[in-house]
Amino acid sequence: DSGVTQTPKHLITATGQRVTLRCSPRSGDPSVYWYQQSLDQGLQFLIQYYNGEERAKGNILERFSAQQFPDLHSELNLSSLELGDSALYFCASSVTSSISTDTQYFGPGTRLTVL
Amino acid sequence: DAKTTQPTSMDCAEGRAANLPCNHSTISGNEYVYWYRQIHSQGPQYIIHGLKNNETNEMASLIITEDRKSSTLILPHATLRDTAVYYCIVRVATSYDKVIFGPGTSLSVIP
Repeated sequence: DSGVTQTPKHLITATGQRVTLRCSPRSGDPSVYWYQQSLDQGLQFLIQYYNGEERAKGNILERFSAQQFPDLHSELNLSSLELGDSALYFCASSVTSSISTDTQYFGPGTRLTVL
Repeated sequence: DAKTTQPTSMDCAEGRAANLPCNHSTISGNEYVYWYRQIHSQGPQYIIHGLKNNETNEMASLIITEDRKSSTLILPHATLRDTAVYYCIVRVATSYDKVIFGPGTSLSVIP
């Protein structure tokens, strides 16, 4: 158990809809990262927040957005969903803001299915 | 464009050492090498990391070459539960704090 929790575990929705994925980092970890893993694809970095502020952006679509709240939990909002958005979405947390020098602890993921 | 190169897949007999190589020829002097693994559809799990020196913990050993252009993750006594995809990661030097997980190495531990 990494200490990172994600809800919901599974989410099934229709094209065009909007969903919110939630992540609670390890206690006190100020950095939160979001990743997408499609079928047969590697982990794609989406975005990072540190103490409520966006720190780094990866391959995140404009239809997707995220935020980090004062209690450090984070939400990833996915809108105008398409079939290709079906994937596992992972959240990770770390102590510092640096991906390159800090260990990330990953949550169990949310499996999103868009029908 | 991943900055690391790993074999696509490897097999290892149960109880034997699994040696997983990784090439990272463009690594900068202050960039760490990290290893994670992902058991099917679970969240990736941190294994070990290092800068220059060889490292060992309860899970594995990390051997980094003197020129730092490659490394090897060693699982000393592989078990069936070690069957997973193993990712070798270094920071992408051209992009601040972006990280790229390549396709990794799919390790199959065989009874």
